[in-house]
Amino acid sequence: GQQLNQSPQSMFIQEGEDVSMNCTSSSIFNTWLWYKQDPGEGPVLLIALYKAGELTSNGRLTAQFGITRKDSFLNISASIPSDVGIYFCAGRSLSDSNYQLIWGAGTKLIIKP
Amino acid sequence: DSGVTQTPKHLITATGQRVTLRCSPRSGDLSVYWYQQSLDQGLQFLIHYYNGEERAKGNILERFSAQQFPDLHSELNLSSLELGDSALYFCASSATGNPPLHFGNGTRLTVT
Repeated sequence: GQQLNQSPQSMFIQEGEDVSMNCTSSSIFNTWLWYKQDPGEGPVLLIALYKAGELTSNGRLTAQFGITRKDSFLNISASIPSDVGIYFCAGRSLSDSNYQLIWGAGTKLIIKP
Repeated sequence: DSGVTQTPKHLITATGQRVTLRCSPRSGDLSVYWYQQSLDQGLQFLIHYYNGEERAKGNILERFSAQQFPDLHSELNLSSLELGDSALYFCASSATGNPPLHFGNGTRLTVT
């Protein structure tokens, strides 16, 4: 099925570093969502964005809805060990009247010891 | 704890068989979504039910079907199973008009 282009695929970082990941789409979206999935668990919604240009924070996490409505990024500041996991972006296209989200393939965050 | 319960947690079965996965949504949520997640992949949307009615279908095979019952729990039926059906199957629920907010911990299906 259709997927968003999410990058990077994985990141190896030191504790305390800032992290940035992004998603791009060929379609215009009216909703961007960022989820985190821990091993053996279902995804957890971190941030939801509903308007182009919107910048939203959730603790050390900040996400933005791109002005073109075709991209979004997620930043994590001062990473800590519990940030490890897989981060997924998901989007809802303009033509979708339900939440048939299109999902990115995920960014795996690994913190170097 | 998301409040969404999925059973069973693991399921191992043979090709050609039929299985039923069960989901109890978070209390008060009327929407139930089913997703398939293959190894190291994103989630593929299968189907969405709202208050007992099918709302949207995604990439769901004809061998798969689902329903949502009056008590709002949902079942995903997978038949004529193939090796490629091995995956994690997630259920998510939400209140009206919201994106899938609460995910269960999934059912890991292994077809041998």
